[in-house]
Amino acid sequence: AQSVSQHNHHVILSEAASLELGCNYSYGGTVNLFWYVQYPGQHLQLLLKYFSGDPLVKGIKGFEAEFIKSKFSFNLRKPSVQWSDTAEYFCAVNLGRDMRFGAGTRLTVKP
Amino acid sequence: DADVTQTPRNRITKTGKRIMLECSQTKGHDRMYWYRQDPGLGLRLIYYSFDVKDINKGEISDGYSVSRQAQAKFSLSLESAIPNQTALYFCATSDRLAGATDTQYFGPGTRLTVL
Repeated sequence: AQSVSQHNHHVILSEAASLELGCNYSYGGTVNLFWYVQYPGQHLQLLLKYFSGDPLVKGIKGFEAEFIKSKFSFNLRKPSVQWSDTAEYFCAVNLGRDMRFGAGTRLTVKP
Repeated sequence: DADVTQTPRNRITKTGKRIMLECSQTKGHDRMYWYRQDPGLGLRLIYYSFDVKDINKGEISDGYSVSRQAQAKFSLSLESAIPNQTALYFCATSDRLAGATDTQYFGPGTRLTVL
């Protein structure tokens, strides 16, 4: 079945550690890829998106993601996390008429 | 961000009751969406609407219906609520002109509990 997979359900890091959250999708053809973040008690907001051009995209708050077409992946990275990055992170694929989300990865950053 | 608002923010109801969740937006977007969020499952699309006369079922439309009363309003109804519809419901909007690259803008969510 076509899907969006986020392999890490819960990641716990200490401040200043590096972060990489995995996202793989199984849709063929042209895809538009997104990472959204949901801070505790808040609604989802866009971190970054990729639709063409440079496969390394930079988003807000020091996050970046790399689109690797051959691996059907769009992994999210941050070199040094902060306590304020504690949140749930969702990868999503826009299929043209609707958006499909992964199950989410909960990130806990210890101070 | 008050561009997308949802009412109510919290609702507790009983099995069999009819419930309506409302969404309003001031972003001027044509496209509106309803999702439910469940732990471990992420967001799943219930219905989406590309304009007032274009309404489509999403992944999990059974047990739900929608109404697009105006460009700015999109309501979700549970005709006869059941406990497994307990979830966090989000409304979202996006800009038609941006097409498939569009960002979706989410409301604050409605936490629904069906007893």
